[in-house]
Amino acid sequence: GQQLNQSPQSMFIQEGEDVSMNCTSSSIFNTWLWYKQDPGEGPVLLIALYKAGELTSNGRLTAQFGITRKDSFLNISASIPSDVGIYFCAGTDYNFNKFYFGSGTKLNVKP
Amino acid sequence: DAGVIQSPRHEVTEMGQEVTLRCKPISGHNSLFWYRQTMMRGLELLIYFNNNVPIDDSGMPEDRFSAKMPNASFSTLKIQPSEPRDSAVYFCASSRSSTPDTQYFGPGTRLTVL
Repeated sequence: GQQLNQSPQSMFIQEGEDVSMNCTSSSIFNTWLWYKQDPGEGPVLLIALYKAGELTSNGRLTAQFGITRKDSFLNISASIPSDVGIYFCAGTDYNFNKFYFGSGTKLNVKP
Repeated sequence: DAGVIQSPRHEVTEMGQEVTLRCKPISGHNSLFWYRQTMMRGLELLIYFNNNVPIDDSGMPEDRFSAKMPNASFSTLKIQPSEPRDSAVYFCASSRSSTPDTQYFGPGTRLTVL
């Protein structure tokens, strides 16, 4: 079955540092999405990507839809304490139009 | 605009009891999704509806779980009888499109089955 491999599982960084996380799939995806989940809340959509090669920014966040359509990355520049949370990749596969979530990257930012 | 609304936010019940979780999607969204989140298994899609019709229920764990969407503004997820292993946070999400992308999540219901 389909698997979304998200890495790293967790990160501990210093405030001000840049962060990069990525997601790979075993099949071609139509869409890639990135969500952030704060403790006690539901995931919140950060960025949605719909075309191979697409590069989209949302403030300090930048995400790209990989050329092969089997991967995506999320970068956070100049991290701040409120970036702390769990970041999930998600997407819809081309063949079965099913939706999958990655296992999440837990981000910790030290002030 | 109001986001996805879920109730209750917390539910504590005893094993064997019936549990009903409720969801009101964002107005104008025609797809609705139910998820379960646990530390061990992460976010799992249980079922999703499009235009009130169940499209994919392959994630529903067993017959004890059932979901309904009687109209465009309301859905329920029922567990009968509940078991301790059902303890999790249950999320409802809605989407404007007919395909499962760009979903907006509710705040979740934290269920504890003793």
